[in-house]
Amino acid sequence: DVKVTQSSRYLVKRTGEKVFLECVQDMDHENMFWYRQDPGLGLRLIYFSYDVKMKEKGDIPEGYSVSREKKERFSLILESASTNQTSMYLCASSPGGSGRNEQFFGPGTRLTVL
Amino acid sequence: AQTVTQSQPEMSVQEAETVTLSCTYDTSESDYYLFWYKQPPSRQMILVIRQEAYKQQNATENRFSVNFQKAAKSFSLKISDSQLGDAAMYFCAFVVSGNTPLVFGKGTRLSVIA
Repeated sequence: DVKVTQSSRYLVKRTGEKVFLECVQDMDHENMFWYRQDPGLGLRLIYFSYDVKMKEKGDIPEGYSVSREKKERFSLILESASTNQTSMYLCASSPGGSGRNEQFFGPGTRLTVL
Repeated sequence: AQTVTQSQPEMSVQEAETVTLSCTYDTSESDYYLFWYKQPPSRQMILVIRQEAYKQQNATENRFSVNFQKAAKSFSLKISDSQLGDAAMYFCAFVVSGNTPLVFGKGTRLSVIA
């Protein structure tokens, strides 16, 4: 089974702190994604990556950056956390190419910024 | 722009009964994949069912089946013999190719009444 893990289930940070959210997948997937999930807004794509060291902006990239130095790991960085970044953050991966395209999700990180 | 609309923010069903969740989408592409994902409370998002747009036959997975109407761009999910464990947020999504992100609807929260 594909496994996508996220470094923390719950995280509490202070305004202005630099925050790292880590995501690791174990199935050699090409693509990785970061979403935030808020009530009534569904899933909104922050960034995605279709290859090592490659990144593409999603719908709401402002205030975030990402890093993909290794194929299996995709990090989301909040350079200076703000209260409006309090949310559930979901990481996902997918094989890429044609054929099977479903995304596999991690358990999520619930981030609270005080 | 490609969009997914789930017109029912919340639904409820009696245990053992059948419920249908609606989903419509908009795309100019002819070849794509459609998905229903389930997110139980405080638990991981998992894939429920997948449909390839080039297949006319509706996908089924045990108690879950879809009604795929390509011309109408409609992709509804039917849950038969509903169980308490079916209570969750359900997301409809589609993707055009393997290296692009899924486009998600905002979700439908399903409650199952004992």
